[in-house]
Amino acid sequence: GEDVEQSLFLSVREGDSSVINCTYTDSSSTYLYWYKQEPGAGLQLLTYIFSNMDMKQDQRLTVLLNKKDKHLSLRIADTQTGDSAIYFCAERTSGNTPLVFGKGTRLSVIA
Amino acid sequence: SQTIHQWPATLVQPVGSPLSLECTVEGTSNPNLYWYRQAAGRGLQLLFYSVGIGQISSEVPQNLSASRPQDRQFILSSKKLLLSDSGFYLCALGLDAYEQYFGPGTRLTVT
Repeated sequence: GEDVEQSLFLSVREGDSSVINCTYTDSSSTYLYWYKQEPGAGLQLLTYIFSNMDMKQDQRLTVLLNKKDKHLSLRIADTQTGDSAIYFCAERTSGNTPLVFGKGTRLSVIA
Repeated sequence: SQTIHQWPATLVQPVGSPLSLECTVEGTSNPNLYWYRQAAGRGLQLLFYSVGIGQISSEVPQNLSASRPQDRQFILSSKKLLLSDSGFYLCALGLDAYEQYFGPGTRLTVT
């Protein structure tokens, strides 16, 4: 079945870049997502990428997709303390199928 | 733009009591609606999803049920809560083929 894997923890210093990695198993994944969850809150959609793209950039966020290796990454430039949160990777094969989520990576930013 | 409301925000219920969590959405029509549960320290588990009024798909067999009595209302219920039902319940809204947005969540503690 479908599976999405992420490392559970990442710690970076304020001002450095953060790279959060994700791997997925479903080769028919069409849409891939990154969500951010702050403590006690719902999930905030950060960005998504279609499987026919290699990269997407949005301000401090850069998403890289290696479809051959089924590897997705989220790079946060100039990481700030406000970026501390849990980041979830998710994928879906079509617009009507539910998203499949990873377990989330907890990013801690050290001042 | 769309808005997702969840009620209540926090709930403490004894084992064996009934449950009703409500999700209502604004700013869109005929959305896909989802219920997820996030247990402490774990990822998201899809419980139910609905593509229209009265249409419910169950992902995980358990003592929970869902109903969609109106286009923009999604209800999660239980007749008798278990301790293992404790968690953070998130309602999500699927717009078009790509985007899925989450509500603020309901934190349920079963004692």
